[in-house]
Amino acid sequence: GAVVSQHPSWVICKSGTSVKIECRSLDFQATTMFWYRQFPKQSLMLMATSNEGSKATYEQGVEKDKFLINHASLTLSTLTVTSAHPEDSSFYICSAYSGNRGIQYFGAGTRLSVL
Amino acid sequence: GENVEQHPSTLSVQEGDSAVIKCTYSDSASNYFPWYKQELGKRPQLIIDIRSNVGEKKDQRIAVTLNKTAKHFSLHITETQPEDSAVYFCAASSGTSYGKLTFGQGTILTVHP
Repeated sequence: GAVVSQHPSWVICKSGTSVKIECRSLDFQATTMFWYRQFPKQSLMLMATSNEGSKATYEQGVEKDKFLINHASLTLSTLTVTSAHPEDSSFYICSAYSGNRGIQYFGAGTRLSVL
Repeated sequence: GENVEQHPSTLSVQEGDSAVIKCTYSDSASNYFPWYKQELGKRPQLIIDIRSNVGEKKDQRIAVTLNKTAKHFSLHITETQPEDSAVYFCAASSGTSYGKLTFGQGTILTVHP
């Protein structure tokens, strides 16, 4: 299957700092990528849909000024958690949509711990 | 919007038995139904999917059935093995051009040796 790379896999930061997470589709072009948040023992909660060359579409209740999404190319989307606080600690997962195959491929996830 | 309900939340079986997980969805326009397996701390892995123009799809020990009239679909795992233990998620997509998925709540499957 297709490969989606997500970095970093684990990050610890101090409260008030910003953290950037990268999501790359390595062997296909993804006009659309998705960002999810997953709490322990819970399902994937869609945060936003990232479209190349346009503004992201955020789900209800997700603060767009706190979770900045940039989809600058057909293979890269980034999520920046700004002014992180302990309650932002979570597992963040990206996915890239292959229009040719009609399938979403997931990154390995980033575990964010805010101290 | 779409709402996907998944049952059971936990499922415990003996090795060799079959396991069945069921999902219902609300949006009649949904036409793509994937199943993902997620091991602890890992990425969700697509294990099988079905589109609304078919009623059943099988891949070795895994099968998925779809009933569009009743708006439900199920995952069937036969001859379960301990390595099948994981969290399984169903999802539904309305089939828009960008493939947005709505996930079920997940089922923790434990296969006892």
